[in-house]
Amino acid sequence: DSGVTQTPKHLITATGQRVTLRCSPRSGDLSVYWYQQSLDQGLQFLIQYYNGEERAKGNILERFSAQQFPDLHSELNLSSLELGDSALYFCASSRGGDWALNEQFFGPGTRLTVL
Amino acid sequence: EDQVTQSPEALRLQEGESSSLNCSYTVSGLRGLFWYRQDPGKGPEFLFTLYSAGEEKEKERLKATLTKKESFLHITAPKPEDSATYLCAVQATRTTSGTYKYIFGTGTRLKVLA
Repeated sequence: DSGVTQTPKHLITATGQRVTLRCSPRSGDLSVYWYQQSLDQGLQFLIQYYNGEERAKGNILERFSAQQFPDLHSELNLSSLELGDSALYFCASSRGGDWALNEQFFGPGTRLTVL
Repeated sequence: EDQVTQSPEALRLQEGESSSLNCSYTVSGLRGLFWYRQDPGKGPEFLFTLYSAGEEKEKERLKATLTKKESFLHITAPKPEDSATYLCAVQATRTTSGTYKYIFGTGTRLKVLA
């Protein structure tokens, strides 16, 4: 158990809908990262927040947005969902904000299925 | 174009049969190369960070090395519990903006047979 929690575990929804994924980092970690893992594209970095502020952006679509709250939990919002958004979404956390200098601890993931 | 390529895609080993996994990269401004282990349906687990050519790191039966073009993950006398997908990733600097980019390889699926 990494100490990172993600809810829900599974989510099934329809095209065009909007969903929110939630992540609670390990105690003491200030940084939260979001990743998407699909069969055809592998693991892709989406976005990173550090202490409430956006720190780095990867291949995040405009239909997706995220935020980190004062209690450091984070939410990833996915809207206008398409079939291709079906994937495993992972959250990770680390103590500091520098990707290269901080070990990331991954949560168990949320499996999103868009029908 | 920045790229991270892992080979082989899949590898089957007998228990005790040592081998190496390869991660080749073409990026400018490498800040770090990372190895992760991922079990099916679970989140990746951090293994190593390598920062510069010539660097080596070890953990139990695993040893990671780095050159200017590639990294190797050497597995010595593997056991069935080493079966997993091993992912390689790099953090590099975007030359135009000075910000960072993060690129993952597609992984090597390792199966160790008893």
